[in-house]
Amino acid sequence: DSGVTQTPKHLITATGQRVTLRCSPRSGDLSVYWYQQSLDQGLQFLIQYYNGEERAKGNILERFSAQQFPDLHSELNLSSLELGDSALYFCASSAEGPANTEAFFGQGTRLTVV
Amino acid sequence: AQRVTQPEKLLSVFKGAPVELKCNYSYSGSPELFWYVQYSRQRLQLLLRHISRESIKGFTADLNKGETSFHLKKPFAQEEDSAMYYCALSGSGAGSYQLTFGKGTKLSVIP
Repeated sequence: DSGVTQTPKHLITATGQRVTLRCSPRSGDLSVYWYQQSLDQGLQFLIQYYNGEERAKGNILERFSAQQFPDLHSELNLSSLELGDSALYFCASSAEGPANTEAFFGQGTRLTVV
Repeated sequence: AQRVTQPEKLLSVFKGAPVELKCNYSYSGSPELFWYVQYSRQRLQLLLRHISRESIKGFTADLNKGETSFHLKKPFAQEEDSAMYYCALSGSGAGSYQLTFGKGTKLSVIP
């Protein structure tokens, strides 16, 4: 158990809908990262939050957004869903800093858009 | 821009044979390199990182800055090594340590 919790584990929804994925980081970790894993693109970095502030953005679509709350949990919002958004979405957390760059991953949320 | 290349999608070896999973990277600064492993239906977990220079489950990886490589090696493969292996790079650009992953290599160890 990495200590990172993601809910829900599975999500099936229709095109055009909006969903929210939730991540609780390891206790004490200030950084939360979101990744998308698809068959053709592999693991793609989406966005990072550090202590409530956006720190870095990767290949995140404008239809997607995220936030990190004062209790450090994070949510990834996906809207106007398309079939191509079907993927495994991972959250990871780390303590940040040069000596602490190991990221601990959650089990992922499998999103299926039908 | 940082990039990680794993040239093999699938690697099949017999039990007891040596294993080498290739990883090449592109990064302008001094990166941290990692190998993550994903066993079937499990979460990604860190296997090893170049900075610690340790051996985990018999695996080692040496950072070769001249060849910009970080190949993962094990002298004798075991069936339980079958998994997806991802090479990853972490840079410190703009104070962020996000990981850039390769596309992964699926290792299949044949009994």
